[in-house]
This record gives sequence, C-alpha cells and structure tokens, in this order.
Amino acid sequence: DAGVTQTPRHEVAEKGQTIILKCEPVSGHNDLFWYRQTKIQGLELLSYFRSKSLMEDGGAFKDRFKAEMLNSSFSTLKIQPTEPKDSAVYLCASSFWGGYAEQFFGPGTRLTVL
Amino acid sequence: GQQVKQSSPSLTVQEGGISILNCDYENDMFDYFAWYKKYPDNSPTLLISVRSNVDKREDGRLTVFLNKSGKHFSLHITASQPEDTAVYLCAAGDSGGSNYKLTFGKGTLLTVTP
Repeated sequence: DAGVTQTPRHEVAEKGQTIILKCEPVSGHNDLFWYRQTKIQGLELLSYFRSKSLMEDGGAFKDRFKAEMLNSSFSTLKIQPTEPKDSAVYLCASSFWGGYAEQFFGPGTRLTVL
Repeated sequence: GQQVKQSSPSLTVQEGGISILNCDYENDMFDYFAWYKKYPDNSPTLLISVRSNVDKREDGRLTVFLNKSGKHFSLHITASQPEDTAVYLCAAGDSGGSNYKLTFGKGTLLTVTP
C-alpha cells in the first residue's frame, strides 16, 4: 500500500504569493492532519479533518492558512499571502477512524519564502 | 502556553545504557499518550502509545510510564544502541467530543554513543 504522499517536496515562493500544497492520505484512512514543523515551535497542528469534515482549524493559523478536503483521497493547504515566517516543513498525516490510531506522516513539503 | 513539554532538548547515553525521555503535560483531560521517533530528514513514526487507564506498557526494549497525578509520562529504552539516535517526540490527546488530534512536544534529541 502507498503511504501518505505530498507534493511538491520543495517550494520556493516570493513574499505575498499564494502557494498550494497537496496531500494524498493512505487509502481507507478517515482522519487527515496538516502540521507545520519548525525547529523553534516543533510540530504545530494547522488543520484536522475527519471523513472530510473540518474538526480543527488551528486557531492562530486561520487568517492566511486554509486547508480543504474535497474528497477522501485528496487534501490541499493554501497559504495566502505567504510571509517569510511561513518558511517551514509542512507535514500531512493520516490515520484510521475509530479512536486514537497511529498517524502516518508523509515526507513533507519544505517551503522557503523569500 | 505549551500543553506538552519536553524539558530536555537533548540527551546523550552510552551504548548499552538506559535512555530516559521525559514529557510533562498541562491538560488533565488528556487520555492518550504516545511517543514518536524521527530520524533527520525523515518524518515521525509511532513507537509506542498508552491510554490513561494503564500506568505502564512494555514493548521489547521500550517502556512507557504514565504518572497521571504528576501529569508526566516517560519513555525508557533499555540496552540503548547507536541506531536509537534520533529525535523523540511525545504527544498527548483528549478524545472528548470524538476529537482525536494530538498535541506534540518539541522533541528530545537522543544520541547513543558507541
């Protein structure tokens, strides 16, 4: 079975641009998570979907970050407009529904905003 | 504030010794506790987890201890090996409202020296 896939693996954007990151969860998984990973803050939850319904929108990340899950096998994270402080690794993870289950992480997208 | 804290950013242990990684939490509604392992330039993978109804769980060289009154849990790795060298992330969750998101600590870099 394929694991979580994320594209692109690397993205370089100019300040003020709009970027869209993509994630395909493990087939059959119902929960999908978007995280931002930095050395200072560690892993921060951006969004959490259960069966395509938004469960968490990450509070402080609401204004410029928008995650969507249009179908059970594809999710996007849009950052608009980008700022240099958004430079980080963005991780997508998925898990089975039905209580706490192992989260399987994708390889991440490394975003650099100039 | 930080809901899940790993106070030691790094730990060095000699090969064959016991590695003890610690995690403190603030939310006494947390009922799920996990440890993830992350190699450099790789994504986190689940090592071991426990629910709040147990105080201890063993799996091979790994043992998780949970101290609910102290809001603390730890990971013990016996017979530590150089290949255990990685970043260890603790995570906790509160399943109230069927919300299975996790809050992660910032990580502890474990280095096992030959």
